[in-house]
Amino acid sequence: GIQVEQSPPDLILQEGANSTLRCNFSDSVNNLQWFHQNPWGQLINLFYIPSGTKQNGRLSATTVATERYSLLYISSSQTTDSGVYFCAVDQGGKLIFGQGTELSVKP
Amino acid sequence: EAGVAQSPRYKIIEKRQSVAFWCNPISGHATLYWYQQILGQGPKLLIQFQNNGVVDDSQLPKDRFSAERLKGVDSTLKIQPAKLEDSAVYLCASSQAGSGVLTFGAGSRLTVL
Repeated sequence: GIQVEQSPPDLILQEGANSTLRCNFSDSVNNLQWFHQNPWGQLINLFYIPSGTKQNGRLSATTVATERYSLLYISSSQTTDSGVYFCAVDQGGKLIFGQGTELSVKP
Repeated sequence: EAGVAQSPRYKIIEKRQSVAFWCNPISGHATLYWYQQILGQGPKLLIQFQNNGVVDDSQLPKDRFSAERLKGVDSTLKIQPAKLEDSAVYLCASSQAGSGVLTFGAGSRLTVL
């Protein structure tokens, strides 16, 4: 089956710093989504981004489907950005998650 | 708009006992999903419903897990008998038919002793 790899697995930032999270996938996909799981376990959909670039406030995402990767940018990080970021790819109607990047933003 | 409701939030049982989790999706969402998330891993799809029909249950351990969505609205996931390795968070999600954009509930955390 398709492999979804995220890097880095862990990231510690000082408040105000910028970061880039990467998601590589091994096969063609119908679409790709980024999620944030907060420290209480709630999963929130950030972006639905099969290709191109989208921005929402301090977050933006870019997917290059032909090269099978996606990037999530977080600018001016805040402590509330802490948690685990997952990318998930849709292949044949099934959403397959990566292992996540655990982000910790220190004040 | 109310979110995806799940209960119970926490459950502790002994191995070989049974447990059931309930999910009420967002009103009007035809597609309902059950995911299992083991600590430190990404969620894994167990079963997907479209209205009250099963779309995908290829990763559901059918010897011990069962799920139903009888009226095409709320759903129940049952585990019987539970094993230690079933300790996980069980996440329910829903989406409008064909949208692919999932909204997740808060999850039900299961501990099997």
